[in-house]
Amino acid sequence: EIVMTQSPATLSVSPGESATLSCRASQSVSSNLAWYQQKPGQVPRLLIYGASTRATGIPARFSGSGSGTEFTLTISSLQSEDFAVYYCQQYNSWRTFGQGTKVEIK
Amino acid sequence: EVQLVESGGGLVQPGRSLRLSCAASGFSFDGYAMHWVRQAPGKGLEWVSGISWDSGAIGYADSVKGRFTISRDNARNSLYLQLNSLRAEDTALYYCAKDYGGNHFFDYWGQGTPVTVSS
Repeated sequence: EIVMTQSPATLSVSPGESATLSCRASQSVSSNLAWYQQKPGQVPRLLIYGASTRATGIPARFSGSGSGTEFTLTISSLQSEDFAVYYCQQYNSWRTFGQGTKVEIK
Repeated sequence: EVQLVESGGGLVQPGRSLRLSCAASGFSFDGYAMHWVRQAPGKGLEWVSGISWDSGAIGYADSVKGRFTISRDNARNSLYLQLNSLRAEDTALYYCAKDYGGNHFFDYWGQGTPVTVSS
């Protein structure tokens, strides 16, 4: 089972600043990596797939990068609606989620 | 419009069983892999199980292997999860999720059905 490790667990950011979230896989997942956003009481929302492709309707301030075992989600100029929990997911070998990074208002 | 509606959750005693269902509509159900994902209260997402479009490939998380069984009925546009030998740590909101294709990310999620394991 591939283990996905996200860091940091919590990120405190001021609105308008950028945030960088990391995700590491215990073995290579190629570019089979997705990012999801989840707000309290809501269903997860797909942001990025293929490590760097934005899903339909996702603003350009969200960008993903990486391949193999190291991945990054960058949110530039954070808006109020971006404060949420973010999960990475590998889909190279069945599926595994990271434990999540909470982006909170500083 | 894609819709996934889970049902079957509830309060169950440790060691007992439960069967969850997911009714799908708005897409060609028999063309897509499907999955179950759970989220314990205040915790993160955990992939539980997945099944290919033709039930030819099935996978489980280590935490549920041997206790849970996934299945589907393409004629009824339905996905199922049989939960046996339930434990307190199985308490969670169980989501049904649609695979983008056959080996991809999840593009649609249901609202979830809650399972509480307690005596």
